[in-house]
Amino acid sequence: EVQLVESAGGLVQPGGSLRLSCAASGFTFSSCEMNWVRQAPGKGLEWVSYISISGSTIYYADSVKGRFTISRDNAKNSLYLQMNSLRAEDTAVYYCATGAFDIWGQGTMVTVSS
Amino acid sequence: DVVMTQSPLSLPVTLGQPASISCRSSQSLVYSDGNTYLNWFQQRPGQSPRRLIYKVSNRDSGVPDRFSGSGSGTDFTLKISRVEAEDVGVYYCMQGTHWPPITFGQGTRLEIK
Repeated sequence: EVQLVESAGGLVQPGGSLRLSCAASGFTFSSCEMNWVRQAPGKGLEWVSYISISGSTIYYADSVKGRFTISRDNAKNSLYLQMNSLRAEDTAVYYCATGAFDIWGQGTMVTVSS
Repeated sequence: DVVMTQSPLSLPVTLGQPASISCRSSQSLVYSDGNTYLNWFQQRPGQSPRRLIYKVSNRDSGVPDRFSGSGSGTDFTLKISRVEAEDVGVYYCMQGTHWPPITFGQGTRLEIK
């Protein structure tokens, strides 16, 4: 079965850090560009970050640039999002998705609050 | 950044009746390779988004043929020929032509009247 499974999110204090993982199965992860997309409670979809197949090309939304780091390990079929200096406005469900957005994970909730 | 504007934002529809959602971009979405990277997604309540349509009018595998996409340049439309109960949810358009950033529309909430 083709799927993406994100790791558990959680509650983090403002200024804190969290690392999300996304495990791919059922397709050739190493041939896929990947994205992270988030959705604040009751709001729409916001693209967060992109990484190329090799990891050599990376883009971020302005809202997370300098605080978030996307990476991947093709040997482990895994995508990551390191989130630092978290703010209340980063509270959202975080989804990993393929480059074509044809496969999405189930999403993981990240709450930034004291 | 390319701004994607959807209308209406709320769409009450009677079962079996057609529905139409408009998506307008702040600049043409035709890429230099001749393709137009405009996708449509469905997000049912409590679920992850699901891609329905890619490159304006190409239906994804498993998507019922009552869904269709059309448009060009800056004006795009998602149509549902006969709404069914399972179509309830929020629909988003997304452009992948001028990026980063990839941008989504605000979403259109479809409900049954």
